Amino acid sequence: SQTIHQWPATLVQPVGSPLSLECTVEGTSNPNLYWYRQAAGRGLQLLFYSIGIDQISSEVPQNLSASRPQDRQFILSSKKLLLSDSGFYLCAWSVAYNGEQFFGPGTRLTVL
Amino acid sequence: AQSVTQLGSHVSVSEGALVLLRCNYSSSVPPYLFWYVQYPNQGLQLLLKYTTGATLVKGINGFEAEFKKSETSFHLTKPSAHMSDAAEYFCAVSGNNAGNMLTFGGGTRLMVKP
Repeated sequence: SQTIHQWPATLVQPVGSPLSLECTVEGTSNPNLYWYRQAAGRGLQLLFYSIGIDQISSEVPQNLSASRPQDRQFILSSKKLLLSDSGFYLCAWSVAYNGEQFFGPGTRLTVL
Repeated sequence: AQSVTQLGSHVSVSEGALVLLRCNYSSSVPPYLFWYVQYPNQGLQLLLKYTTGATLVKGINGFEAEFKKSETSFHLTKPSAHMSDAAEYFCAVSGNNAGNMLTFGGGTRLMVKP
């Protein structure tokens, strides 16, 4: 069966510090991968999606970036965090065209 | 372009009462529709989905939804609410896009009163 992992589960970082969030998927090959953010009291915002290694699309301009160094690994990064980067970050995967996405447990990021 | 509208950001019901969460969508192609549930500080879990075929779809935890093309709706229902149903619910639509991206509604927070 397929599983998706995210770490860390929680993170508290000062403004201006770097960020690295990791997501890995097990039990599937060539998945589509996604990063979402949920700010407090708001819905889901798609940040990045990837259909293959080194094939990443950004949905919103921001100080975040994403990389996919391996088929089932997706990393969200920032060189300098802003207060507005606080939120709940969700990674997801899918393999089926027009199929559902499967979500990881999330990372709660607080920028102080 | 696709969009999803969930009427009511907050819905409150009594335990044992009917749950009705509304979802309307717009799509230029035949849609695939989904309902997800999110418990506090957790990821989203798929409740049910409509792809093709039977328009009444049954999901986990006693939930079901009916696809009504003429009304462009996909409302979620449960006959009798349980305290454990308190969570946030998201409706989503997918349709013919590279990368299998979903468009989500803004979410509805369901509160269940004892």
